[in-house]
Amino acid sequence: KAGVTQTPRYLIKTRGQQVTLSCSPISGHRSVSWYQQTPGQGLQFLFEYFSETQRNKGNFPGRFSGRQFSNSRSEMNVSTLELGDSALYLCASSLAGGQGQPQHFGDGTRLSIL
Amino acid sequence: AQSVTQLGSHVSVSEGALVLLRCNYSSSVPPYLFWYVQYPNQGLQLLLKYTSAATLVKGINGFEAEFKKSETSFHLTKPSAHMSDAAEYFCAVRVPSGYGGSQGNLIFGKGTKLSVKP
Repeated sequence: KAGVTQTPRYLIKTRGQQVTLSCSPISGHRSVSWYQQTPGQGLQFLFEYFSETQRNKGNFPGRFSGRQFSNSRSEMNVSTLELGDSALYLCASSLAGGQGQPQHFGDGTRLSIL
Repeated sequence: AQSVTQLGSHVSVSEGALVLLRCNYSSSVPPYLFWYVQYPNQGLQLLLKYTSAATLVKGINGFEAEFKKSETSFHLTKPSAHMSDAAEYFCAVRVPSGYGGSQGNLIFGKGTKLSVKP
């Protein structure tokens, strides 16, 4: 069974640009979450999507947005990039329902802002 | 609000020695607890989870963790360290959906980097 796939693995952008990251969850998983990982702040929750609806949102500015498609694939968009957006962005998927279902993570997209 | 504290940002052990990584959580309701491991340039891999069944949870690669409600702890242990265990370990908490939590929102500790000396 294929794991969570994130593309691209690496991205280099400049300040002010925008970027779109993609995530394909494990087959059958309907919940997709996004996290930002930085050395200073650690792992921080961005948002979660389930059945094409944002179900939960972390404390990030509106420049960070996402969406989920009918096949559960998800994209995350960051507009007007800032130097502080340089981070590893991780996507995780889990089965819908069922208490205690763990999240399964992809290898991430490393975003560098110049 | 839920939070996770991992004591010790760096832990170093000798190969064959006991591994003990500490995690304390704060939650007003019975939580779900998880341990993940991250190798360089990779995502997080689930080691084990606690979901209110047995308090002693066995995971992959010989790791286990014990849920102690009275101490609000969920420490990770392995009897004998191997060189391949060198990585960063994260403890995470989630509030069950029955208590208003979201399945997709994990709260992570800051992580503990484990070094294994030959």
